Amino acid sequence: KAGVTQTPRYLIKTRGQQVTLSCSPISGHRSVSWYQQTPGQGLQFLFEYFSETQRNKGNFPGRFSGRQFSNSRSEMNVSTLELGDSALYLCASSESGQLYNEQFFGPGTRLTVL
Amino acid sequence: DQQVKQNSPSLSVQEGRISILNCDYTNSMFDYFLWYKKYPAEGPTFLISISSIKDKNEDGRFTVFLNKSAKHLSLHIVPSQPGDSAVYFCAASDLQTGANNLFFGTGTRLTVIP
Repeated sequence: KAGVTQTPRYLIKTRGQQVTLSCSPISGHRSVSWYQQTPGQGLQFLFEYFSETQRNKGNFPGRFSGRQFSNSRSEMNVSTLELGDSALYLCASSESGQLYNEQFFGPGTRLTVL
Repeated sequence: DQQVKQNSPSLSVQEGRISILNCDYTNSMFDYFLWYKKYPAEGPTFLISISSIKDKNEDGRFTVFLNKSAKHLSLHIVPSQPGDSAVYFCAASDLQTGANNLFFGTGTRLTVIP
């Protein structure tokens, strides 16, 4: 089985712009979660999508949004970028997320905001 | 507010010896705990987990211990191998908040010296 893939792997944007990141989960996995990793804060949960619905949300401002398509692929959007949004964005997929299924992480998208 | 803390940012151990990585948490609602390993330019990889109804879980060279009264867990690696050199994250979740909403520590960088 192919692993979780994320595109693009690297991205450079300027303040005020918006960005869309993509995540393709492992085939058959219906839950996709997004995390932000920064040196000071570690990995922080952004949100989770399951069957095209946002099931869970972390403490991030509304500039961070996401969606999931019928094939379980997910996108994350950040609008009005700030310097502090520079981070590694990771997505993780799991089978159902009903119980404690193992989450498989992608390699991440490194976003740099100038 | 960091609900999961890894107070040692780094640890160096000789090959063949025991590595002990520690993690503390503050939220008594957490009922599932995980350890992930992360190599550079890769996403975190699941290592081992433990439910709050247990106090120990073993998988080969890896053992996780949970002390609920102290809100502390530890990962033991015996014997340590150079390939174990990576950043280790502990994570926690509770079903009420969401099984896939993982709260991560900031990581401990383990270096195993040959």
